[in-house]
Formats: sequence, structure tokens, C-alpha cells
Amino acid sequence: EDQVTQSPEALRLQEGESSSLNCSYTVSGLRGLFWYRQDPGKGPEFLFTLYSAGEEKEKERLKATLTKKESFLHITAPKPEDSATYLCAVHTGGSYIPTFGRGTSLIVHP
Amino acid sequence: DAGVTQSPTHLIKTRGQQVTLRCSPISGHKSVSWYQQVLGQGPQFIFQYYEKEERGRGNFPDRFSARQFPNYSSELNVNALLLGDSALYLCASSLDSYGYTFGSGTRLTVV
Repeated sequence: EDQVTQSPEALRLQEGESSSLNCSYTVSGLRGLFWYRQDPGKGPEFLFTLYSAGEEKEKERLKATLTKKESFLHITAPKPEDSATYLCAVHTGGSYIPTFGRGTSLIVHP
Repeated sequence: DAGVTQSPTHLIKTRGQQVTLRCSPISGHKSVSWYQQVLGQGPQFIFQYYEKEERGRGNFPDRFSARQFPNYSSELNVNALLLGDSALYLCASSLDSYGYTFGSGTRLTVV
């Protein structure tokens, strides 16, 4: 059974304090790994797709990386507006359905 | 371009009642998926439809059903509501098997 585990569950940072979120996965035949941002009461907003180990994607203060077992979402010099829940999802070759992790709740204090 | 549209945005139902949630995908997207998200957890897959055919079903009871119409819009029906059905119901559309775009969700409260 495909499994996606995100850590930590919650993270509190001071503005400007860089950190990383982790998404580890146990799947057969990874086709893609997705990162989403979700604000309270809203639907997830797509951030990145990573397809193969070694791949990296960047967007503003966010950088996503992928290895054969996990992905990291690095947040550089975060701002309060980066506060949200960050979700990871994996898509495998045997299914059309992505499996989501439980998310990491990030709070950035000014 | 309009994104994924879900209606209603909020609703309150009584235990035992039935509810219908609606979703309009992005124009040109033929796949619609439904997810249930309980507070503090990730989205849980309920159904996926592609070209009006059911392509996947999650681990939900038969009280949950869905369909996709010729214009690719979709409805999710839940019968005999339980308190535990209270959640944010998300609809996502995609052009192919990847690149899901989510709507803002319908917040269902069962009392």
C-alpha cells in the first residue's frame, strides 16, 4: 500500500528563519510527487511537480527537491504570508489517484 | 479562465438527511475527482470520473455516490448523513492524470 508521511506536523518559524519540510514516501513506481499549499478553509493550491530523483523546482522563497525516498520543501527567509498548510501527494504508475500526506502546518511569526 | 467552481460553499444538514454537492471543472478538463478533508488531515480520495466513467473509488461507504455529466460537471451525493461526514469536500479537475486543480471546497456541517 502506498504511504506518504509528512513531517513535522506543525512548524513555527520567525520571519527570516529558513527551514525545510519533509515528505517521505513508500510507493511502487513513482510517476510524480506534488506539493500544494492550502490556506484555512480553501482548496489546495498547486506549487510543484517533481518526476525523478535529483530534480529541483523553485518558486520565490520555495524550493522543492526529490530523492528516491523523500522530498523536501525548503523555505528560505519565510514571511508571515507563507503561513499555510503544505501538502505532499504522490502519484504512482498503478493508479490514476494521487495519495496525500496529512500536511505540515507552517506558521511564520513577524 | 474560471477555475474549478464548487457549490454551495457552506451548508448545514441534519443527521439522516441527504446532500448533493456540485462541481464545474476547468473548461477542457475531462477528469473530476472528489476528496473529503477532515480538519487537520490530508484530503482523502472518494471518487474519480473521466469522460463520464468512474475510474476510481476510495474507501467510502455506499452512502456516497457521484456522477459526471456530458458537460463534465459532476455531483457528489451523500445519503443518510452522519455527524462524521462533517468535512470540507473538495473537487479537483485535470486535463490528464496529473496536474490537479482544486476548487475552494464545500464546507458541510452535519448536526
